[in-house]
Amino acid sequence: KAGVTQTPRYLIKTRGQQVTLSCSPISGHRSVSWYQQTPGQGLQFLFEYFSETQRNKGNFPGRFSGRQFSNSRSEMNVSTLELGDSALYLCASSFWTTRSPLHFGNGTRLTVT
Amino acid sequence: QQQVKQSPQSLIVQKGGISIINCAYENTAFDYFPWYQQFPGKGPALLIAIRPDVSEKKEGRFTISFNKSAKQFSLHIMDSQPGDSATYFCAASPPETSGSRLTFGEGTQLTVNP
Repeated sequence: KAGVTQTPRYLIKTRGQQVTLSCSPISGHRSVSWYQQTPGQGLQFLFEYFSETQRNKGNFPGRFSGRQFSNSRSEMNVSTLELGDSALYLCASSFWTTRSPLHFGNGTRLTVT
Repeated sequence: QQQVKQSPQSLIVQKGGISIINCAYENTAFDYFPWYQQFPGKGPALLIAIRPDVSEKKEGRFTISFNKSAKQFSLHIMDSQPGDSATYFCAASPPETSGSRLTFGEGTQLTVNP
């Protein structure tokens, strides 16, 4: 069974631009979550989608948004990029909830210059 | 608000030794406590998890100890091996009815010397 796939692996953007990250969950998994990982703040929850509906949302500004498609694939969008948005963005999928359990992809490394 | 505190930040252990990482949480609504292992360039991978109705859970060389009254839990890695060198994260999750949402500790970078 293929794992969680995130594309692209690396991304370099300029401040003020917007970016879209993609995540393909494990086949059969209906929950997709996104996390931001930085050296200073660690792993922080962004949001979770289940069956195309946002089920949970973390404490990030509205510039961070996401969506989930009918095939469970998910995208995350960050608008008006700031230098502080440079981070590793991790996608995780599970069948139902964190107890299912949660499987992480290898992330997209976003650098904002 | 940091709801899960993890210590130490880094840990160096000799091969064959015991590695101990501690976590404390604040939110009494948490009812699921997993540990994740992350290697450089990879996403975190689930190691072992525990629920608060159990005081200890063991899987191979990895053991979670849980103290509900103190709101603390710890990971013990017995017979530590160089291949265990990685970053370890404790985490906590609210009840399943709230969906999927993990609050992570700050992480512990473990180095096991040969």
